[in-house]
Amino acid sequence: GQQVMQIPQYQHVQEGEDFTTYCNSSTTLSNIQWYKQRPGGHPVFLIQLVKSGEVKKQKRLTFQFGEAKKNSSLHITATQTTDVGTYFCAWSSGSARQLTFGSGTQLTVLP
Amino acid sequence: EPEVTQTPSHQVTQMGQEVILRCVPISNHLYFYWYRQILGQKVEFLVSFYNNEISEKSEIFDDQFSVERPDGSNFTLKIRSTKLEDSAMYFCASSEQRGNQPQHFGDGTRLSIL
Repeated sequence: GQQVMQIPQYQHVQEGEDFTTYCNSSTTLSNIQWYKQRPGGHPVFLIQLVKSGEVKKQKRLTFQFGEAKKNSSLHITATQTTDVGTYFCAWSSGSARQLTFGSGTQLTVLP
Repeated sequence: EPEVTQTPSHQVTQMGQEVILRCVPISNHLYFYWYRQILGQKVEFLVSFYNNEISEKSEIFDDQFSVERPDGSNFTLKIRSTKLEDSAMYFCASSEQRGNQPQHFGDGTRLSIL
């Protein structure tokens, strides 16, 4: 069956440092979405990628979808304390396009 | 911006009791979902609902679970006889249409089974 790994599980960075989280799948994904969950909060949609090799940017966030559509990354440049939270990759499948979430990367930003 | 609303925010229930978790999806959305998140773990899909019927359900969604859209706005998740392992955060989500659409999540209901 499909195996998707999200790494790292935890990341502590100093404010101003960069941060990257990766999702790697054993099989091709039709799409990938990224969500952010603040501590005690709910998942909030960030971006969706559907094309091979796609790169999208949102201010300090850069999202990539691999050429083989088996991996994706989220990179944050110059982290801020407001970036704290858990970042999940997710992909939709099934007749109702329900989401399957990765295990998440919990980001801590030290001031 | 329209939001998905969930009530209650926290529910404490004795094991074996029935609970109903309530959600009001965004008004023009057509697809509704329930997910759960055990503390410190990832978000897991439970069930999807479209056109007044279940579209898909996971293996977690056994006979103890049911969903209903009793009127034009509410979407409920019922757990008939709760178990300790049902303790989790339950999120309702909705999306506008089929396809690879972003899902909008509510703030969740924290369910604690004693």
